[in-house]
Amino acid sequence: GAVVSQHPSRVICKSGTSVKIECRSLDFQATTMFWYRQFPKQSLMLMATSNEGSKATYEQGVEKDKFLINHASLTLSTLTVTSAHPEDSSFYICSARTYLAGSTDTQYFGPGTRLTVL
Amino acid sequence: DAKTTQPTSMDCAEGRAANLPCNHSTISGNEYVYWYRQIHSQGPQYIIHGLKNNETNEMASLIITEDRKSSTLILPHATLRDTAVYYCIVRDGGSQGNLIFGKGTKLSVKP
Repeated sequence: GAVVSQHPSRVICKSGTSVKIECRSLDFQATTMFWYRQFPKQSLMLMATSNEGSKATYEQGVEKDKFLINHASLTLSTLTVTSAHPEDSSFYICSARTYLAGSTDTQYFGPGTRLTVL
Repeated sequence: DAKTTQPTSMDCAEGRAANLPCNHSTISGNEYVYWYRQIHSQGPQYIIHGLKNNETNEMASLIITEDRKSSTLILPHATLRDTAVYYCIVRDGGSQGNLIFGKGTKLSVKP
């Protein structure tokens, strides 16, 4: 099946530093990747959509200068949280879209990255 | 994308079938019904999706009513590992549609 990996799985950083999270589609090429975040006891919230080779589209309320997204290849997207603060502590999850044979497209999700900003 | 309504929580006995309902009365003709689940502290896992015909795979069955206003996800023989939050999502089949997650149903499988 379609596998999406994320690295790191867990990161703790000091306030004011930047953190980069990688998302890879391991066995398929994904023209579109998505970034979500999830606060405790809440559902996933879509942050942005990125297409390979073009600028990401951010959801309303998500600061594009704070959450930098790069989608340089069909198998890799990165999310950089710049100048992280404690309120950025969350569970960040990426997703990649692919087409199943004879069907419409489907999104597969990575295992998530737990970010804790001290 | 059309909204969905799911019960907040459900219990199921281990080994029995788990039937998770979802209402999507405003679904339009080109929107698919997707089901995902999220086990605690993990990323969502794709289960199944369908347009209007019933679907079955190795994980579950999806029953969509004829008017497409509701659907039921069936886990035929629930195990303790099926305890998770199950999300029913309606999404446009075109490339513009995104997966927007609601609150889902917390399924607890009990021994």
